[in-house]
Amino acid sequence: DSGVTQTPKHLITATGQRVTLRCSPRSGDLSVYWYQQSLDQGLQFLIQYYNGEERAKGNILERFSAQQFPDLHSELNLSSLELGDSALYFCASSYGDPQDTQYFGPGTRLTVL
Amino acid sequence: AQTVTQSQPEMSVQEAETVTLSCTYDTSESNYYLFWYKQPPSRQMILVIRQEAYKQQNATENRFSVNFQKAAKSFSLKISDSQLGDTAMYFCACRSYNNNDMRFGAGTRLTVKP
Repeated sequence: DSGVTQTPKHLITATGQRVTLRCSPRSGDLSVYWYQQSLDQGLQFLIQYYNGEERAKGNILERFSAQQFPDLHSELNLSSLELGDSALYFCASSYGDPQDTQYFGPGTRLTVL
Repeated sequence: AQTVTQSQPEMSVQEAETVTLSCTYDTSESNYYLFWYKQPPSRQMILVIRQEAYKQQNATENRFSVNFQKAAKSFSLKISDSQLGDTAMYFCACRSYNNNDMRFGAGTRLTVKP
């Protein structure tokens, strides 16, 4: 158990819908990272937040957005969902310095029908 | 940005034997970090080992060790005394010091046979 929690574990929804994925980092960690793992794209970095502010952006679609709250939990919002958004979404956390290791949560499996 | 290549989609090894997984990377950064993550059937991403590029000494963690060849941009993972529980997807990853965008390879599926 990495100490990073993600809810829900599974999510099934329809195209065009909007969903919110939630992540709680390890105790003491200030940074949260979101990753998408799909069959065709592999593991891709989406976005990073540090202590409530966006710090780095990867291959995140405009339909996706994220935020980190004062209690340091983070939410990833996915809207206008398409079939191709079906994937495993991971959250990872670290203290926040560049040399810190990222510890991954168990992931949320999103299925868009 | 970094790119990471894992040229072995699948590998297998007999229990108690040794296996080496290959990884090459490309980065223009001078300061970076390299990682091997394991993803068992449970889908959890588990850190296996990490290496700081400025360190010449190869990292080791119990049965896991790396062969880091900086000039060749190679970062292979050696698993000694393979166990059935080592069966998993293994991902190599690279992250620069200045950019938290961690790039992963496509993964190598390792099967340990009894």
